[in-house]
Amino acid sequence: SQQGEEDPQALSIQEGENATMNCSYKTSINNLQWYRQNSGRGLVHLILIRSNEREKHSGRLRVTLDTSKKSSSLLITASRAADTASYFCATDAQGSWGKLQFGAGTQVVVTP
Amino acid sequence: DAGVTQSPTHLIKTRGQQVTLRCSPKSGHDTVSWYQQALGQGPQFIFQYYEEEERQRGNFPDRFSGHQFPNYSSELNVNALLLGDSALYLCASSFISRGSNTGELFFGEGSRLTVL
Repeated sequence: SQQGEEDPQALSIQEGENATMNCSYKTSINNLQWYRQNSGRGLVHLILIRSNEREKHSGRLRVTLDTSKKSSSLLITASRAADTASYFCATDAQGSWGKLQFGAGTQVVVTP
Repeated sequence: DAGVTQSPTHLIKTRGQQVTLRCSPKSGHDTVSWYQQALGQGPQFIFQYYEEEERQRGNFPDRFSGHQFPNYSSELNVNALLLGDSALYLCASSFISRGSNTGELFFGEGSRLTVL
């Protein structure tokens, strides 16, 4: 079973627009991470937000975390064609120590 | 600095056969985790190795086994292959101090297994 659920499943935008995707999870967590995957290749870590943090920025990425709603959002500003990929949230549940649970992902297509 | 390397990149097996996948972690990392990713799905945690022992295991049958060597590299073995085992198998490495939370994982490019 998957801990996280991303929404939407797919997103199509034009270059320059912002892309927002959401993640909901079920159990209490230590932290939440976002990863990107290009077409069946390995995953690349984007950003980690700890359970006591509410917002974090990294370049064009902005992540929010609402532990009361058990949800997170990832915003990519000024999208580029190179941002075309699948994006996954992953949670590290309390007591799991090293076991990440991934959602099914949001497939983002950015057209020039 | 080499990242996580996996071999082979692609392989085809038939039902009932056995397969071994290999992973070398990123330099300085001591923990290796294995994930299975079916087409269109997110990665599913198989197990994690630290200090040559299996530390955590996901919901996978005993047909899935692993090993970690003194140099921190790892193998994933799958016996009695089923059609449903067809997937991308991802290895991820990290450095985890005892009692700390999971940090960033570094993934390899994966081994794509097709079972016919």
